Amino acid sequence: EAGVVQSPRYKIIEKKQPVAFWCNPISGHNTLYWYLQNLGQGPELLIRYENEEAVDDSQLPKDRFSAERLKGVDSTLKIQPAELGDSAVYLCASSLDRGEQFFGPGTRLTVL
Amino acid sequence: AQSVTQLDSQVPVFEEAPVELRCNYSSSVSVYLFWYVQYPNQGLQLLLKYLSGSTLVKGINGFEAEFNKSQTSFHLRKPSVHISDTAEYFCAVSEGTGNQFYFGTGTSLTVIP
Repeated sequence: EAGVVQSPRYKIIEKKQPVAFWCNPISGHNTLYWYLQNLGQGPELLIRYENEEAVDDSQLPKDRFSAERLKGVDSTLKIQPAELGDSAVYLCASSLDRGEQFFGPGTRLTVL
Repeated sequence: AQSVTQLDSQVPVFEEAPVELRCNYSSSVSVYLFWYVQYPNQGLQLLLKYLSGSTLVKGINGFEAEFNKSQTSFHLRKPSVHISDTAEYFCAVSEGTGNQFYFGTGTSLTVIP
């Protein structure tokens, strides 16, 4: 069984540029999570989807971050414009009916 | 909101020695508890979880953890570590299945040959 797939694995951009991350969850998993992991810290939830609906986006900085999961399967997280402080690892996770979360390898973003 | 404390940011230990990684959480309400391991440049992998039942939970790779409700702790232990156990370990707490996970800041375990 394939795990959670994320791309790209690494991304380097200049500040003020837009960037997007893609996540494909485990087949059949209806719940999808995006986490932010700063260096030396644990992951922090940005947004949680149940199917197509964002059920918890209270920690998502909506002035520059957006996310979508149009067909209830894969998801895209976007930052526009990126700031220096956005440099971090962005993790995607999925679960079935809000059970155990399975994590992808993450996208490491560097903003110059 | 929950607060998860991992007091030890770095733990060096010699190969084949025992190790304990400490985790304390803030809330006394019913919680679910998890330990994840993260190898370099990889995502988090579940080691073990406590949802209910026996307070001693056994996980993969020879790890176990004990839930102590009175001390709001969920410490991770392994009787004999291997070089391959070198990684970052995260404790996480959820106040219900599928609810938000709160992660600790992680403990970097380094196994010394």
